[in-house]
Amino acid sequence: EDKVVQSPLSLVVHEGDTVTLNCSYEVTNFRSLLWYKQEKKAPTFLFMLTSSGIEKKSGRLSSILDKKELFSILNITATQTGDSAIYLCAVLTGTASKLTFGTGTRLQVTL
Amino acid sequence: DVKVTQSSRYLVKRTGEKVFLECVQDMDHENMFWYRQDPGLGLRLIYFSYDVKMKEKGDIPEGYSVSREKKERFSLILESASTNQTSMYLCASSFWGDNEKLFFGSGTQLSVL
Repeated sequence: EDKVVQSPLSLVVHEGDTVTLNCSYEVTNFRSLLWYKQEKKAPTFLFMLTSSGIEKKSGRLSSILDKKELFSILNITATQTGDSAIYLCAVLTGTASKLTFGTGTRLQVTL
Repeated sequence: DVKVTQSSRYLVKRTGEKVFLECVQDMDHENMFWYRQDPGLGLRLIYFSYDVKMKEKGDIPEGYSVSREKKERFSLILESASTNQTSMYLCASSFWGDNEKLFFGSGTQLSVL
């Protein structure tokens, strides 16, 4: 059974802090790993990672994948209150295009 | 922008009722998905569809069925709602061949009393 584990489950930081969110996986026939941000209801796409060691970056957010150790991290620098959300990690496997999600990390950024 | 629209944001039903959750996408996506999201369990796939009139079971299909009569519309049906189906239901869609990038609807919070 495919498994995706995120840590920590929740996190409270002060505005300006840097945070690192973790995602590890045990799956069959890995294709790619995706990060989503869920603020109110609809998760929105952040990154898709397919190759090891190549950092994807968007503003203050960045992510990298390690296919040997089977994990990914999502970094957020200089956090803002608008970064408060649930961050979801998902792994795409096999030919059936199935996405397996982790339970998410709830991030709260306080003033 | 891709738009995935779910018909209701909040829904309250009684045990045993038949419940329809509707989802419409406006980008001609081939793939459509239904997930439920529960605290501590994350998003779990209920059913998905790659084409009109086609459906595949996800990880937790028991107690649910789906219908896809038109490409843009994917319906989730609870034949006889039960309290353990109280959850947030999220619909998603994607293109065939680029199906990693799921686009989600805003979700329907269903409460079964």
